[in-house]
Amino acid sequence: GESVGLHLPTLSVQEGDNSIINCAYSNSASDYFIWYKQESGKGPQFIIDIRSNMDKRQGQRVTVLLNKTVKHLSLQIAATQPGDSAVYFCAETMGSGGSNYKLTFGKGTLLTVNP
Amino acid sequence: DAGITQSPRHKVTETGTPVTLRCHQTENHRYMYWYRQDPGHGLRLIHYSYGVKDTDKGEVSDGYSVSRSKTEDFLLTLESATSSQTSVYFCAIKGGETQYFGPGTRLLVL
Repeated sequence: GESVGLHLPTLSVQEGDNSIINCAYSNSASDYFIWYKQESGKGPQFIIDIRSNMDKRQGQRVTVLLNKTVKHLSLQIAATQPGDSAVYFCAETMGSGGSNYKLTFGKGTLLTVNP
Repeated sequence: DAGITQSPRHKVTETGTPVTLRCHQTENHRYMYWYRQDPGHGLRLIHYSYGVKDTDKGEVSDGYSVSRSKTEDFLLTLESATSSQTSVYFCAIKGGETQYFGPGTRLLVL
């Protein structure tokens, strides 16, 4: 699990601060985006998603922003907690159906929250 | 955890031996996926299935085969394991437009 964090961009924040994690996606035709959280030794866990017809979506303590003009996605975590420490990565896809449905994943960012 | 289990969770094997990893789901999802995760590469798709006996290759399928004889089980086989197949393997299912992942299998090929 911990090897997932090697060679990744890192973000270190203090507990209670807000965190912003960025992702540049590759395909301008992608219309659905997902953020995942992966803790050490565990599988990726769905956090929040957004469709391309939206530019912002909020969840519990998390907000995803989508800028299609520059193909950029960001995940904002409010009041970051030590339990938020993990690797975060984005995924993109075109369409939801058919046997060609596949996700393309970013490599991720390692978030470390200092108490 | 979307009702996904993987077995074994950890395995050490020797080069040249066959290895089969199992993914089991309990929620009758049609689509299932096998990924490998390596430092510096992120998640890469090995094979996927869009129904019983319906499978297709992903971007890193060489050296791997899959089978899906029933909805709930998707098997990944390394016919003759190599050291380059040392990795963490994740199974996923498609729920709505999202994929949900299992806990992973850590494979070491010596």
